[in-house]
Amino acid sequence: RKEVEQDPGPFNVPEGATVAFNCTYSNSASQSFFWYRQDCRKEPKLLMSVYSSGNEDGRFTAQLNRASQYISLLIRDSKLSDSATYLCVVRHQGGKLIFGQGTELSVKP
Amino acid sequence: GAVVSQHPSRVICKSGTSVKIECRSLDFQATTMFWYRQFPKQSLMLMATSNEGSKATYEQGVEKDKFLINHASLTLSTLTVTSAHPEDSSFYICSARGTPVHSPLHFGNGTRLTVT
Repeated sequence: RKEVEQDPGPFNVPEGATVAFNCTYSNSASQSFFWYRQDCRKEPKLLMSVYSSGNEDGRFTAQLNRASQYISLLIRDSKLSDSATYLCVVRHQGGKLIFGQGTELSVKP
Repeated sequence: GAVVSQHPSRVICKSGTSVKIECRSLDFQATTMFWYRQFPKQSLMLMATSNEGSKATYEQGVEKDKFLINHASLTLSTLTVTSAHPEDSSFYICSARGTPVHSPLHFGNGTRLTVT
C-alpha cells in the first residue's frame, strides 16, 4: 500500500465548476502536509500548506483531518489555467517529502 | 527568492554510458538535498537523501552503486547514473533545503533523461 494515496484521475470539469480532491496517508507520524501543483514535464510547485484548522487561499481551500489521516483540496470557480496534476504531499520528521501519485485535472471551456 | 538550478534540463545518452546531473542552490546553503525520479503518469519517488559532507541515504530498492550521489559542498549535489539503460529513462528532480529541518524545500527544474 502506498504511503500517500489520492483519488484516481483524471477529473474533467467545465470552467466555473467546483472540484474536490481527496488524499489519505498511512504514517501517523507525518508532521506537515501540502498540496503541490505540477504542470506537464515541469517540477512541482507548492500550492499551499494544509492545517487542521483549514486554510483558504483565494479559490483554494485545504483541510486536514489528523484523526482520519485525510487531506482535501477544494477548488472553486475553476479556471482553464487550473488544469494540472495536483499532488498530495506529507513531510516526515527530518524533512523528507513523500508524494502521492497525483490527480490530473482538466478544465474545459 | 531562493533558487535551485538543475543541469542539464535534458540529456540523451547511449546505453552503457554514465550521466551526471548537477543541482545547485544559488542563494542559500543547502544542508540537505533530496533526489526524486518520476516516470510518466506517476508521482515523484524519493531516491535518496543527502546531507552535506555525509554519505547519501538511499530509499529501499534504489541501487546506490548505480545512482551515485555526491554532496561535497553546501551549494552543490550531483547524481550520476552509471551504466545507464533504457529503463533508467525518466524525469529526475532535485530539491534542497537549508536549516532548520522544516525550512522550505526548493525544487530544481528537473532533468529529462532518455537512454537509447
